[in-house]
Amino acid sequence: DGGITQSPKYLFRKEGQNVTLSCEQNLNHDAMYWYRQDPGQGLRLIYYSQIVNDFQKGDIAEGYSVSREKKESFPLTVTSAQKNPTAFYLCASSTTSGHNEQFFGPGTRLTVL
Amino acid sequence: GQQLNQSPQSMFIQEGEDVSMNCTSSSIFNTWLWYKQDPGEGPVLLIALYKAGELTSNGRLTAQFGITRKDSFLNISASIPSDVGIYFCAGRIYGGSQGNLIFGKGTKLSVKP
Repeated sequence: DGGITQSPKYLFRKEGQNVTLSCEQNLNHDAMYWYRQDPGQGLRLIYYSQIVNDFQKGDIAEGYSVSREKKESFPLTVTSAQKNPTAFYLCASSTTSGHNEQFFGPGTRLTVL
Repeated sequence: GQQLNQSPQSMFIQEGEDVSMNCTSSSIFNTWLWYKQDPGEGPVLLIALYKAGELTSNGRLTAQFGITRKDSFLNISASIPSDVGIYFCAGRIYGGSQGNLIFGKGTKLSVKP
């Protein structure tokens, strides 16, 4: 069953703690993306990667970090430097040739207590 | 970053009615995508458009790539309760970064049985 998985579905963390969100895909896509979604807002790009061992900052990268050591995996770390981390986080993937439609995972809701 | 103007922000309709929503931009796009998001889930791709003037259907859904390449429309015919959700448009600017999408803020659809 091909697709994108994100874990956990719900995550709670205390202020000042770093937390890592998982994203895995078995679609053989080269590109992967992380978005943040706040209520009533569109999706805002945090980081993206078009190839293993390379990634680029999106529009709101401050307070976040990523790695891309494997094609299938693109974990996102929300650091304590992120001032307002409570949000819904979405991971997506796409090919890098052809039409590049992005396909999304089910999301992780992060709540900072 | 740049955002699309998506309207209306929300719609409350009776079951069986038709629905129209649209997205506009000041930039020329070479791709338009329409997604649907259920509460607490990731967006699901409904329709993809790649050529100016293109009209594509997916069941009761029909979307069009505007001739000016600066807008797109989504119509839903004979709405049913399971159409409830948030509909997002997304586009790729002509000459922009390959793979990167710009998202509208969404149209929240409520259907009264």
